[in-house]
This record gives sequence, structure tokens and C-alpha cells, in this order.
Amino acid sequence: EAQVTQNPRYLITVTGKKLTVTCSQNMNHEYMSWYRQDPGLGLRQIYYSMNVEVTDKGDVPEGYKVSRKEKRNFPLILESPSPNQTSLYFCASSLSYRNTGELFFGEGSRLTVL
Amino acid sequence: QKEVEQNSGPLSVPEGAIASLNCTYSDRGSQSFFWYRQYSGKSPELIMSIYSNGDKEDGRFTAQLNKASQYVSLLIRDSQPSDSATYLCAVNQVNDMRFGAGTRLTVKP
Repeated sequence: EAQVTQNPRYLITVTGKKLTVTCSQNMNHEYMSWYRQDPGLGLRQIYYSMNVEVTDKGDVPEGYKVSRKEKRNFPLILESPSPNQTSLYFCASSLSYRNTGELFFGEGSRLTVL
Repeated sequence: QKEVEQNSGPLSVPEGAIASLNCTYSDRGSQSFFWYRQYSGKSPELIMSIYSNGDKEDGRFTAQLNKASQYVSLLIRDSQPSDSATYLCAVNQVNDMRFGAGTRLTVKP
């Protein structure tokens, strides 16, 4: 089954404790992206990657890191989480950067930072 | 700041009616336009894409694009309770994908 898999789905952590949210897709997609969704603000892009070893900042990259060492994986790293990073996070992928609007989303990761 | 604006709703329509969802965008260079549906507690799923001016129909859904007015809409004919969800408008220019905050639609039986 074609899918984008995120883990963990739910996480409660404390300020400053490093965490990683993993994202993996099995569709051989070139393009991958991370979004956060907050009430009233919609989906905002954090980082995106057009292909292996190619990443770039989105609208709200502060406090986040990413890497793309393999085509299928695109982890999101919060080096020192803060309460304002409490949000619902989605990983998404598309066939290529030419189709960046036709996104397949993961199920989401709800993060709470205390 | 490139913006995508949607009426947050909620929009309530009776079963069988036409639901009309609207979206405006600020960047005239935008090239492609999308509608995503998001059920409560779920991830967004793509339901329509439109790339040129005019109408595009897919089953009960019709997307309409007017680039001169920077306006894109989604019509849902014969609305069903299962259409109750939040609808996200998304606008793409090269690698910059912008989402609206979404319109919550409720279809009442």
C-alpha cells in the first residue's frame, strides 16, 4: 500500500529535550516536506526537500532541522523543543518538485511540549 | 507576503444542496491550484487540482479558476453528510506551496 508513515503519532515532551519525528514514504517520491498545522493558521511549511541531500527552508524553519540521506526518509529534528512548537505535524511527499501540489500526507504527529 | 485566504466558516448546507467554497490568493505568479479535504483528526487528502482558467469537473466536484480575479472555488453538488470536513485551498508557485486556513463544511441530513 502506498503510504507516508510518521512516528511517533503522539508525543508529550519537556522543554529542551531533543526529539526526532521520523517520516518514511514507499512511493519513490523525490519531493518531501514537513508542515505544522495550528488552529486558525492552516498548514505552514517548515522544510522541504526536492531530492536526496537537497533541503531548503519553508516559512517557519526556526527551531527545526531536517536531513535527507535516503530518498524514502525525511526526519524532522527538534534540537531543543519549546512550548511554541506544540502543534500537529504532517509529513508529505509528491512524485517530484514539478508536482509539489499533489501531496500525499502522513497521518500526522501531535506534539506537546511542556 | 503571499497569502491564500478562505472563509473559515462554518458553512452549513442541507443534504442534497450545492456547497460553494471560495478562495483568493495574492500572488499573481501562482501556477497551480488545489483543493484538499481534511476530516476531523485526519490528514489532508487531495480531491481536485486545476491549472488553467475555467471549470474542471470530477464527479460531484467542480473546481473553478479565474486567474485575472485571483480566485479559485470548489462546488460540491448533491452534498452528502460524508462531505462534512474542512476544505483547504492550496496554491503553488514553483516550490512554494501555500495553504489557506480552511473552510469547515457541515452537511446536515
